[in-house]
Order: sequence, then structure tokens, then C-alpha cells
Amino acid sequence: GQQLNQSPQSMFIQEGEDVSMNCTSSSIFNTWLWYKQDPGEGPVLLIALYKAGELTSNGRLTAQFGITRKDSFLNISASIPSDVGIYFCAGLDAGNNRKLIWGLGTSLAVNP
Amino acid sequence: DAGITQSPRHKVTETGTPVTLRCHQTENHRYMYWYRQDPGHGLRLIHYSYGVKDTDKGEVSDGYSVSRSKTEDFLLTLESATSSQTSVYFCAISRTGEGGANVLTFGAGSRLTVL
Repeated sequence: GQQLNQSPQSMFIQEGEDVSMNCTSSSIFNTWLWYKQDPGEGPVLLIALYKAGELTSNGRLTAQFGITRKDSFLNISASIPSDVGIYFCAGLDAGNNRKLIWGLGTSLAVNP
Repeated sequence: DAGITQSPRHKVTETGTPVTLRCHQTENHRYMYWYRQDPGHGLRLIHYSYGVKDTDKGEVSDGYSVSRSKTEDFLLTLESATSSQTSVYFCAISRTGEGGANVLTFGAGSRLTVL
């Protein structure tokens, strides 16, 4: 099935550093979603984006819907140990508004 | 708490045995989904439901069946479990966001091991 290209696959950073990850698609999307999954839990929605160019923040997290509608990025500022987890992007293809397309995730480790 | 309960949370079974996973929601949402999560594959949609008795296949539906006889319950059945179905299974419900997008809320997962 169709998948998003999410990068990087994994990151190991020092506490306090900023983090950036992104997702790209070969087709146009009309929604981008960013989720975080803690170990042993289900993914939890962080940010939802619905318009090209939209920039949305949620605390130390900022995400943007790319102008081409084929990409999105998520930034985390001043990382802390509880940011550890797997971050997933997901999107709704403009041609199919019912099924989400998922990235494979970015695994984030934070060294205190 | 988003009002989604999965049961059982952990199960070990033998190849060839039937297994049923249950998802229960208290949100009265129309859409419900079953995903499996495996290393290197991310989240893959198995089946979904858009109403009572209304279901459709996802990208990895072979070997799985679902039923939804009530709004609040969505059951996933493995008629004859195989080792390739060892996975973590997530149920999700759909919450409509701005523009009508289907934003999913996930349960905590059910870890299934098939020996």
C-alpha cells in the first residue's frame, strides 16, 4: 500500500536540543497529522493540519503543512526526556478522504 | 481517556486456534478501525467499520474478519491464527475534525503472540 516517506528513521539527541523530522508524499494530501507513541501505548494525536502553508504549535511542538501539499514537518524545541517515543506522520490523500496513509515513524531518544 | 477499551491486552495462543479481539468505545463514534503494528511496517489497516453491520477491508485483511453488531463494539477475529499474525493490534475510532478529516483516536493495543 501507499506509504509516506518519513525521515529520519531514528534520532538520538541531548536534552535541550531542538528536533526536526519530516514526511513527504508523491501525491497531494489535504490533511496532515502528527502522532506520538509511547512504549506500550497507542499513538496519540499531537497536531492536525488542514490547509497548505498552515503552521500550528502545541507547546514546544510546531508542525507545518507544506505549500506543495506533498510534505509536512514537525519540530520539537528544547527537548526533554519525556519526548522519547516514536513520532508518526499520517495524511489523507486528496483522492481518498477515508483512509489515512502512514509514515513508518521516527524513533526519538533523548539523553538527559 | 478517549473512551476506547481493548481486550485482551495480552494473549498467547497456538497456531490454528481462533482468536477474537474486542474493541469497545463509549464515544458513540461512527467509524472504528483495526490496525496491526509491526517493526518496519508501521501501522497497517486491517478492516474498518463505518456503521453497525457496515464494514470494509483494509490493506492487510487476509486471515481476518470483523463484526460490528452494536455501535460501541468492533470485534476482530482470526479464524485460525498463524505465526505471521503475531503483532500488536490497535483499535481506533474516528473523530471528525475541521474540514471533515477523520482524525483517529487509538486504544492502548492488544499484543498477540501466536506460537
